[in-house]
Amino acid sequence: DGGITQSPKYLFRKEGQNVTLSCEQNLNHDAMYWYRQDPGQGLRLIYYSQIVNDFQKGDIAEGYSVSREKKESFPLTVTSAQKNPTAFYLCASSPRGGSQETQYFGPGTRLLVL
Amino acid sequence: AQKVTQAQTEISVVEKEDVTLDCVYETRDTTYYLFWYKQPPSGELVFLIRRNSFDEQNEISGRYSWNFQKSTSSFNFTITASQVVDSAVYFCALSDYTALIFGKGTTLSVSS
Repeated sequence: DGGITQSPKYLFRKEGQNVTLSCEQNLNHDAMYWYRQDPGQGLRLIYYSQIVNDFQKGDIAEGYSVSREKKESFPLTVTSAQKNPTAFYLCASSPRGGSQETQYFGPGTRLLVL
Repeated sequence: AQKVTQAQTEISVVEKEDVTLDCVYETRDTTYYLFWYKQPPSGELVFLIRRNSFDEQNEISGRYSWNFQKSTSSFNFTITASQVVDSAVYFCALSDYTALIFGKGTTLSVSS
């Protein structure tokens, strides 16, 4: 079955620690996205990538980093510079970049700070 | 600035009632796309519909229907004869150049 997988489902971070969230898709989509969801809030864009080896900052990129070395993978690192990382993180992909494309979402990773 | 407003934070209905979720958007673009997503308790967002700004026809899919009115910048979603399985958070979203701008969502609770 084609789809988007995210791991782990739950992730715990200690103060000062960097953690990496995994996102993999086998839909052969060009574009991938990371969103953050806080309780009672909509989703906010962290980073997006329209092609391999290229990515752009979204609205709330500070304290996060990404890489796009393979078409199917778009990992997100939450660095120690992100002072309030507790949130639900959703990865999405679309066939191509652009406003007309439908984005399909993975199951999400819930990040908690110890 | 692009913006999506879902004024209803929470709605509670009893099974078989009809319910309408409101969505109002702001954009300066002449071509744009609107979306609805469902987020069940599991957390994954499920795509429901995409509508482009040039197509103002209403759409019906089973118990779901959507009413797009460009004149009032609204894209409302109606569930007919609601069921317990419809309980979820529903998001309306507007296309930006590269990503989506989401409303804050409406939590729908359907009781039996």
